[in-house]
Order: sequence, then C-alpha cells, then structure tokens
Amino acid sequence: KAGVTQTPRYLIKTRGQQVTLSCSPISGHRSVSWYQQTPGQGLQFLFEYFSETQRNKGNFPGRFSGRQFSNSRSEMNVSTLELGDSALYLCASTYNGNNEQFFGPGTRLTVL
Amino acid sequence: GQNIDQPTEMTATEGAIVQINCTYQTSGFNGLFWYQQHAGEAPTFLSYNVLDGLEEKGRFSSFLSRSKGYSYLLLKELQMKDSASYRCAVRGDNAGNMLTFGGGTRLMVKP
Repeated sequence: KAGVTQTPRYLIKTRGQQVTLSCSPISGHRSVSWYQQTPGQGLQFLFEYFSETQRNKGNFPGRFSGRQFSNSRSEMNVSTLELGDSALYLCASTYNGNNEQFFGPGTRLTVL
Repeated sequence: GQNIDQPTEMTATEGAIVQINCTYQTSGFNGLFWYQQHAGEAPTFLSYNVLDGLEEKGRFSSFLSRSKGYSYLLLKELQMKDSASYRCAVRGDNAGNMLTFGGGTRLMVKP
C-alpha cells in the first residue's frame, strides 16, 4: 500500500503571495489532518477533513484554508503569505475508527 | 485548552533504559499518543493509551494515569537508531483526529 504523499516537497514563495499544497492519503483513509511544524512552535494542528467536510479546526487565522475532494485527496491554501508561515507542513491520514495517524513526508515552505 | 509538557532533551547510553515523561492538562481527553520523529523525517506512530496502565510493544512501552494527567514512554535496550525526537500528543473529546502535541523530547543515544 502506498503511503501518504505530499506535493510539492519544497516551495519558495515571497511575502504576499499565496500557495496551495496537496496531500493524497493512503487508499481507503477518509480522514486527512494538516499540521504546521516550526522550530519555535513545534507541531500545531491546522484542520481535519473527513468525507469532504471540515471536522476540526485549529487556532490559525483565516488565511489558512483547506478542502477535501471526493477521492479523499486534500489541499490546503495559505493566502497573503507572511515570513512566519515558513514551516514544514505535514498531512496525516487515518482510517476512520482507528487511532494511528500516518504522516506524509511534508512540504517545506520558505517565505522570503 | 490543552497544555502538554515534556523535557526538552535527554541523553542515554546504548543498551540502557530511558523514560520520557509527559504531563498534560486538557479540557477533554480521548487518548494519548507517542510519536517518534527522526531529523528531517515525518513523525511515526509508536503507541496509544486511552485507559490507565501500561501498553507494551517490543522494546517500547507507554504508561498512562488519567487521574494524574501523566504518561511516560519507556525505551529498553537502547540503540543508536533510537536517537530522535519523541512527542506525546493528546486527542480531545471532540470527534475526529485532532491531536495537540507537546514540544517533543530530543533523545541522544551515546555509545
């Protein structure tokens, strides 16, 4: 079974731009969660999607948004990028009813 | 809200046993998780506790006391490859898979 895949793996943007990151969960997993990882703040939950609906939301500004498609693939979007948005963005998929979240390799976003 | 504390760094010797503690204060509780993360890699699942007691899984064990808001991860027969960050995470009592992570404990295993 293929693992969680994320594209792109690396991205460089400038302040004020917007970015879209993609995550393909493990086949059969309908829950996709997104996390931001930075050296200062650690791993922080952004949001979770299940069956195309946002099920949980973390404490991030409205510039951060996401969606999920009928095939469970998910995208997250960050608009009006700030320097502080530079981070590793991880997505994780879960088979509903199970407890283990499988993480993808992440997208390393650098904002200049 | 959630508050999760764990030591920032620990050092241990190859072949030894190490215990990484995690304390939490949460508004709801529906499970505690331990993840391992090697530098430059994604976190990988180690263990899950929702009831009090010890869960053993090979060289790794995890303990939970809900009344004390306390958990620990025990690593036995340490190997050099165990050098990594170990993160505890709490799932609240809302539906879904939202995890709140502690800051992580960087474990260095020395020969």
